Amino acid sequence: QVQLVQSGAEVKKPGSSVKVSCKTSGGTFGIQGITWVRLAPGQGLEWMGGIIPKLRTANYAQNFQGRVTFTADESTSTVYMDLSSLRFDDTAVYYCARERLDGDYWYFDLWGRGTLVTVSS
Amino acid sequence: EIVMTQSPATMSVSPGERATLSCRASQSVSTKLAWYQQKPGQAPRLLIFGASTRATAVPTRFSGSGSGTEFSLTISSLQSEDFAVYSCQQYDNWPPSFGQGTKLEIK
Repeated sequence: QVQLVQSGAEVKKPGSSVKVSCKTSGGTFGIQGITWVRLAPGQGLEWMGGIIPKLRTANYAQNFQGRVTFTADESTSTVYMDLSSLRFDDTAVYYCARERLDGDYWYFDLWGRGTLVTVSS
Repeated sequence: EIVMTQSPATMSVSPGERATLSCRASQSVSTKLAWYQQKPGQAPRLLIFGASTRATAVPTRFSGSGSGTEFSLTISSLQSEDFAVYSCQQYDNWPPSFGQGTKLEIK
């Protein structure tokens, strides 16, 4: 059974960076895109962008351009999300999810359990 | 960016009753609409894609309908495990965007 296994909770200071991992377990890695979505307190889900691991191609939502980087390591079937210049309002649960292409864009059919990132001084 | 608006924000329903949740898009998204169920501490779960197609292993009490700008998710007879937050997502235009969610709570 395919699972997306995410790294544990993080507490970071404003201005620092955080790196969250998402490992594909029990399935094929690389061809299907992995997307990142976050859920901040009191907000709805927010799409951050995605990466196709095998092609190493990523696209980023405008709100995060220049601050987020997605990378992939095929040897460990893991995708990473690196968010820099952290602010208090980056406090959120960060999810990775598998992309399913339907037409030009994607819905997300398998999700990780989320990683809580808390930004606190 | 297409703005997705869900209503109501919170819905109180008794177990066994029917619940209909609404999702509106700021412009047409055809039938490129998905619904997700979220519970605290759990991975979100895909329920519906293509506006009306149930995902694998989703019970038949969940049904989706609509096209263009107006969509709904109906749960025909609420079970205890159905009390959760439900979010819609459009994927007709870039970037993919989500609604704010509807919290379904026990009455």
